[in-house]
Amino acid sequence: DVKVTQSSRYLVKRTGEKVFLECVQDMDHENMFWYRQDPGLGLRLIYFSYDVKMKEKGDIPEGYSVSREKKERFSLILESASTNQTSMYLCASSKPPGQGAREQYFGPGTRLTVT
Amino acid sequence: AQSVTQPDIHITVSEGASLELRCNYSYGATPYLFWYVQSPGQGLQLLLKYFSGDTLVQGIKGFEAEFKRSQSSFNLRKPSVHWSDAAEYFCAVASRQGNLIFGKGTKLSVKP
Repeated sequence: DVKVTQSSRYLVKRTGEKVFLECVQDMDHENMFWYRQDPGLGLRLIYFSYDVKMKEKGDIPEGYSVSREKKERFSLILESASTNQTSMYLCASSKPPGQGAREQYFGPGTRLTVT
Repeated sequence: AQSVTQPDIHITVSEGASLELRCNYSYGATPYLFWYVQSPGQGLQLLLKYFSGDTLVQGIKGFEAEFKRSQSSFNLRKPSVHWSDAAEYFCAVASRQGNLIFGKGTKLSVKP
């Protein structure tokens, strides 16, 4: 079975803290994605990665960075957490566009609260 | 620009009634289209997808969707809704870069 796991389901951090959200997939997918989900706004793409050590900005990259040192792992970093980053964070992975199927497989999400 | 519109924010149907969730997309070429479902506090699960071929696609949990190029639509249907179908539903189109562009979602409530 396809599996995307995220390091925490719930996380509470203080303003100004550096926060790491980890995502691991076991499907040998090249592509990995980080989204944030807020009520009424749907899913918005933060960053994505096509390969190890490669990253591309999504629609809302400000305040975030990412790291992909290994193919199976994609980390989202909040350099200095702020209250407006309180949200649900979803990680996903997929095969690259050239391999036909483009569906993404999602992890269970991390609900981050910044106080 | 590529985009997805789900016109209905919230829909309530009675258990056993039929369901149709609307989705319109904007895309310059043949689209790759998806429907996902999200139960409260969970990640997204793929219900079905359309790449090419038959415009009526079958998915899991008894759902189907019909691709209509002339209307730029990909509506999701189910003939008889169950209480367990209460969730949020997202339509998405694959961008040329490989990421998915999502609609804002439709929340489905089911009345007993």
